[in-house]
Amino acid sequence: GESVGLHLPTLSVQEGDNSIINCAYSNSASDYFIWYKQESGKGPQFIIDIRSNMDKRQGQRVTVLLNKTVKHLSLQIAATQPGDSAVYFCAENWKGGSEKLVFGKGTKLTVNP
Amino acid sequence: NAGVTQTPKFQVLKTGQSMTLQCAQDMNHNSMYWYRQDPGMGLRLIYYSASEGTTDKGEVPNGYNVSRLNKREFSLRLESAAPSQTSVYFCASLDRRTDTQYFGPGTRLTVL
Repeated sequence: GESVGLHLPTLSVQEGDNSIINCAYSNSASDYFIWYKQESGKGPQFIIDIRSNMDKRQGQRVTVLLNKTVKHLSLQIAATQPGDSAVYFCAENWKGGSEKLVFGKGTKLTVNP
Repeated sequence: NAGVTQTPKFQVLKTGQSMTLQCAQDMNHNSMYWYRQDPGMGLRLIYYSASEGTTDKGEVPNGYNVSRLNKREFSLRLESAAPSQTSVYFCASLDRRTDTQYFGPGTRLTVL
């Protein structure tokens, strides 16, 4: 069946360092992926997405990389700031749109000053 | 433009009690969703509504019912609450122009 998982449940980095959060997916038919950020006590917030016809997409301080060969997705955060501390979820939808998302369990990112 | 709103923010129920969680969005989205989030786990889809008048089961629908009252509102009902339904519940709506789901702030439910 479909599943989305994360390699590391927690990640601790120093302020200013770059962060990399990883995600593995199992459904080779997935063609749309999203990263969400969830701060404590809040709902998930969209960060960046990528479609399967791309292997890289950049936003403001964030980059998502997609490796379809090994079914791996990563989120890179440049110059990590204390405000980046949160739980990050990857999600996939293989129907070609965000109609029904399958979420990973999340990685908790802690940024140390 | 408030986005997705949910009420209540917190609720404590006794086993067997019923309640309805409310969700509304003012972004004119067609699709709306209900998820639950348990500690250490990602979000799991309970029910969704692709458009006004339609609802479909998600991954964990047992013990829940939903109503798509109109385009703006999508409610989740627990007819007879159980401790296993203690969770944080999130509502979301979908912007089809960008395929992005927008989430509400959540309802933290405890069933004793």
